[in-house]
Amino acid sequence: AQSVTQLGSHVSVSEGALVLLRCNYSSSVPPYLFWYVQYPNQGLQLLLKYTTGATLVKGINGFEAEFKKSETSFHLTKPSAHMSDAAEYFCAVILYNQGGKLIFGQGTELSVKP
Amino acid sequence: EPEVTQTPSHQVTQMGQEVILRCVPISNHLYFYWYRQILGQKVEFLVSFYNNEISEKSEIFDDQFSVERPDGSNFTLKIRSTKLEDSAMYFCASSEGLGQPQHFGDGTRLSIL
Repeated sequence: AQSVTQLGSHVSVSEGALVLLRCNYSSSVPPYLFWYVQYPNQGLQLLLKYTTGATLVKGINGFEAEFKKSETSFHLTKPSAHMSDAAEYFCAVILYNQGGKLIFGQGTELSVKP
Repeated sequence: EPEVTQTPSHQVTQMGQEVILRCVPISNHLYFYWYRQILGQKVEFLVSFYNNEISEKSEIFDDQFSVERPDGSNFTLKIRSTKLEDSAMYFCASSEGLGQPQHFGDGTRLSIL
């Protein structure tokens, strides 16, 4: 069965430090990969996506992610954390041959310390 | 920027009652989805809808659930006889096409008493 695993339910970084949120997926077919962010009491906002082409994708708010097929990973990074980055982050995969439903990871809560 | 809107933001209902959660997807989108997130758990797919019919549904989406697009703009999720375990945040989403990014509403928090 297809699945998404996010390592670390809670990640804490200092302001200005590197942010690294890990995501691994299992899929028997080429996936489309997404990162979403959820701020308190809000819906899910798309950060970035990978479908085809360049494996390093840039998103909003300075985030980027790299698709590594050999490692079945799609880790999210940001060079310098800002207080406003504190939120819940979800990695998700769409399997094109399964009707387009999103399969989500468990989520990682990012805390940013001053 | 166009957005998906959901009403109400919070619904409190007695167990056994029917609830209807409402969504207005982005106007030029063709695919519509419902997801739910039980407190502390991951976001789970419920159902996808295209061309006025269900294209896929999960095991969660049993006979108590139904979806409808009654008037070409609204997209509703009905739970016929609510159970305590239906308490969750319900998210509506829409996309332009299959495999395209899904845009989410802010959700409806459903509390079953």
